[in-house]
Amino acid sequence: QQQVKQSPQSLIVQKGGISIINCAYENTAFDYFPWYQQFPGKGPALLIAIRPDVSEKKEGRFTISFNKSAKQFSLHIMDSQPGDSATYFCAALQGNQFYFGTGTSLTVIP
Amino acid sequence: ETGVTQSPTHLIKTRGQQVTLRCSSQSGHNTVSWYQQALGQGPQFIFQYYREEENGRGNFPPRFSGLQFPNYSSELNVNALELDDSALYLCASSDEQGGRGGYTFGSGTRLTVV
Repeated sequence: QQQVKQSPQSLIVQKGGISIINCAYENTAFDYFPWYQQFPGKGPALLIAIRPDVSEKKEGRFTISFNKSAKQFSLHIMDSQPGDSATYFCAALQGNQFYFGTGTSLTVIP
Repeated sequence: ETGVTQSPTHLIKTRGQQVTLRCSSQSGHNTVSWYQQALGQGPQFIFQYYREEENGRGNFPPRFSGLQFPNYSSELNVNALELDDSALYLCASSDEQGGRGGYTFGSGTRLTVV
């Protein structure tokens, strides 16, 4: 059973556009929600993270929106660039174990 | 400051064999976690080591085992390899037991079982 559900599976965005990736969860014991970026042949790299007592966090062009009551969180990438083309994973932490979504392959077209 | 280093980068093994994967944690990190990432999937938690003791385990059979050494480096051992064990194995280190500061992942070991 997938503890964190992620959509869409793939996303194509024009350069300068906004990329939006969504995740949903059921387990209310999760208490930390990071997003990871992964390039081919590399391990995931932490992009941005949020705790459930915060509704939004922004770092540069990357924003997490968190809706605790709906048990949903999303990643917004503003002014998307070709260099942002990668696979993005949402995750949720319970105890010392991260549960990852299935990933979104983002392609930014120049 | 060095990141997380994993070796080897690629490995091909035959079904039924045993394999050992190695991980050097990032400087200052004392916790190491191992994840299995099947093709097209998100990483799945195998187990975590903290101060040389296993500190939590995911839904993996006992033939997946590990070690952490006094310098915080770690090994993942897999016995009786099966075809479904083919995956990218990721090591991640963190500077606190709970990992809320975020993990630093290595680039992984790509294991192919034939």
